[in-house]
Amino acid sequence: QYVLTQPPSASATPGQRVPISCSGSSSNIGSYIVNWYQQLPGTAPKLLIYDSDQRPSGVPDRFSGSKSGASASLAISGLQSEDEADYYCAAWDDSLHNWVFGGGTRVTVL
Amino acid sequence: EVQLVESGGGLVQPGGSLRLSCAASGFTFSNYWVTWVRQSPGKGLECVASINQDGSEKQYLDSVKGRFTVSRDNARNSLYLQMSSLRAEDSALYYCTRGHPFGSYWGQGTLVTVSS
Repeated sequence: QYVLTQPPSASATPGQRVPISCSGSSSNIGSYIVNWYQQLPGTAPKLLIYDSDQRPSGVPDRFSGSKSGASASLAISGLQSEDEADYYCAAWDDSLHNWVFGGGTRVTVL
Repeated sequence: EVQLVESGGGLVQPGGSLRLSCAASGFTFSNYWVTWVRQSPGKGLECVASINQDGSEKQYLDSVKGRFTVSRDNARNSLYLQMSSLRAEDSALYYCTRGHPFGSYWGQGTLVTVSS
């Protein structure tokens, strides 16, 4: 259903590391950078990672991004309760001539 | 402080029209691509329409081509989305976002509901 594929959920206890994957194809992630967004309950998405591995000012270094081939990953280290949110990846798609999003991953802090 | 404030959403019947507006402040509006992104429970986040700095280049989601028109007024620091022939599947929360990088700032959204 979504051009970019993410697991629907992920969970861990406070302090642990949580990886979130985002799988695409040669027309999107395989050729272009990836952005990641955090959406806290009831709020608009917020840019978390851009250009696959860059953090905007103000984003804690607990959040990191990487890309390899047609897949990307977001990692949250030292998980905190305030990290409970939905996380979305996005990339430009050459075939669709548009930005496309993943379906989102809901992170739960146990 | 960068601010994007959407307005114009509401309840409209199928086949009807609606015009969304986004007022920008806190940055030089004319220097950036801006985009309408919508979010619905069934379809997640979708990039609906984008427009470049001077309005000469526009991009649309395939499902809205021919029905939606994006425009901007740099003198008024405003972005618009004219929506016509609305369908139930257009119901969503519509966000205005700034580019460079894509989605660097988002408004709070305006809700569009298409229903009879």
